[in-house]
Amino acid sequence: AQSVTQLDSQVPVFEEAPVELRCNYSSSVSVYLFWYVQYPNQGLQLLLKYLSGSTLVKGINGFEAEFNKSQTSFHLRKPSVHISDTAEYFCAVTLSGSARQLTFGSGTQLTVLP
Amino acid sequence: GAGVSQSPRYKVAKRGQDVALRCDPISGHVSLFWYQQALGQGPEFLTYFQNEAQLDKSGLPSDRFFAERPEGSVSTLKIQRTQQEDSAVYLCASSLLGQGSSEAFFGQGTRLTVV
Repeated sequence: AQSVTQLDSQVPVFEEAPVELRCNYSSSVSVYLFWYVQYPNQGLQLLLKYLSGSTLVKGINGFEAEFNKSQTSFHLRKPSVHISDTAEYFCAVTLSGSARQLTFGSGTQLTVLP
Repeated sequence: GAGVSQSPRYKVAKRGQDVALRCDPISGHVSLFWYQQALGQGPEFLTYFQNEAQLDKSGLPSDRFFAERPEGSVSTLKIQRTQQEDSAVYLCASSLLGQGSSEAFFGQGTRLTVV
C-alpha cells in the first residue's frame, strides 16, 4: 500500500517570500502524484499533478512541484506568496493505471503573514 | 451546476440517529468517490463507484456505513446508528474516466456533527 508524509503541519511565511511545502511518499509500484489546496469550508481544488514525463510540473496560481523518484519526494514551491495563498495544502498519491482512490497526507497549513 | 454538489452542507445528528448524505457528481462522470475527513486530518477513502457498480468499499469503517449509486449518477452515503466518532466532513469526488490520471473534482463536503 502507498502512503504520504507531510512533515510540516504548519508553515508561516511572510508575504512575497518563497515557500516550499514538503511531501514524501512510499510505494512499491508506479504512482501518480497530486497537490490539492483547501480553503476554509471549501472542497479540495487541484493545484497540479505529475503523471509522467518532465519531473517539473507547473500548476495554477504560480505553484510548481518537482518529482524526485530517488528521494520519493514531490515538494511544492512558490517563489513569492500572497495573502490569498493562506490555506491547507494536501499532497496525494494514487496507483498509476486504472482508477484508484487517492491517499492523502495529513496536510500543511500555509499561513501568509503581512 | 457545473461542479460536484453535496447536501446538506451541515448536519447535526443525535447519537443513534440514522443520516443520509447526498452527492450530485458532475454530469457524465464515470467515477465517484466518498472520503471522510476528520478535524485536522487529510481525507481518507471510504468507497468507490464506477457508474452504478461499487467496485471498492474497503474504506468503510463499519457495517453501519452504506453507500449506493443506483442509476450511476447521484450517490447517497448512509450512516446508521451514528456514533460520536462519525463526526467528520464527508467529501464526495467525481472524475470523468475510470483512470487514475483523470482529475477528481471535489464537492464542498457535508460536515456531520454527532451529539
